[in-house]
Amino acid sequence: KAGVTQTPRYLIKTRGQQVTLSCSPISGHRSVSWYQQTPGQGLQFLFEYFSETQRNKGNFPGRFSGRQFSNSRSEMNVSTLELGDSALYLCASGIGWGTGELFFGEGSRLTVL
Amino acid sequence: KNQVEQSPQSLIILEGKNCTLQCNYTVSPFSNLRWYKQDTGRGPVSLTIMTFSENTKSNGRYTATLDADTKQSSLHITASQLSDSASYICVVSNYQLIWGAGTKLIIKP
Repeated sequence: KAGVTQTPRYLIKTRGQQVTLSCSPISGHRSVSWYQQTPGQGLQFLFEYFSETQRNKGNFPGRFSGRQFSNSRSEMNVSTLELGDSALYLCASGIGWGTGELFFGEGSRLTVL
Repeated sequence: KNQVEQSPQSLIILEGKNCTLQCNYTVSPFSNLRWYKQDTGRGPVSLTIMTFSENTKSNGRYTATLDADTKQSSLHITASQLSDSASYICVVSNYQLIWGAGTKLIIKP
């Protein structure tokens, strides 16, 4: 059974640009959550989607957005990139939404110059 | 305020030695407590999930304990191996997941 797939694994952008990250959950999983992890920091929750609906949202500015498609694949978008957005962005999938077990992808490492 | 605090922040031990990582929480109500292992630059991997009624749970050389009365949990690693070098993250669940900052463990040969 394939795990959670995130693309791209690495990317470099410049300030002011926008970026879109993709996450394909484990087959049969309908929940996708996104997290930001900066060096030396814990995971910061961005948002959670279940059946194409955003169920929970963390405390991030509106520049951070996401969506989920009917096949449960999810994308997150960051607009007007800032240096502080450089981080490892992790996607996790789960069977249900809320506080069920999570299975993480390898992450997308974003560097903003 | 719902918080999860882990100690120590970092730990260095010799290969083959045992170690114990601590997690204290002030989360209420309580649903479950999880320990994750995160290798550098990779996604976290679940080690254990413990509910209110579980005191001890093992996963190979990893043993987690939970004292729901004192709101403390520990993760004990037996006979450490170089591959145990990672960050270990404690997560407590109520209506949401409350993440600790993690303990960075380094195993030296």
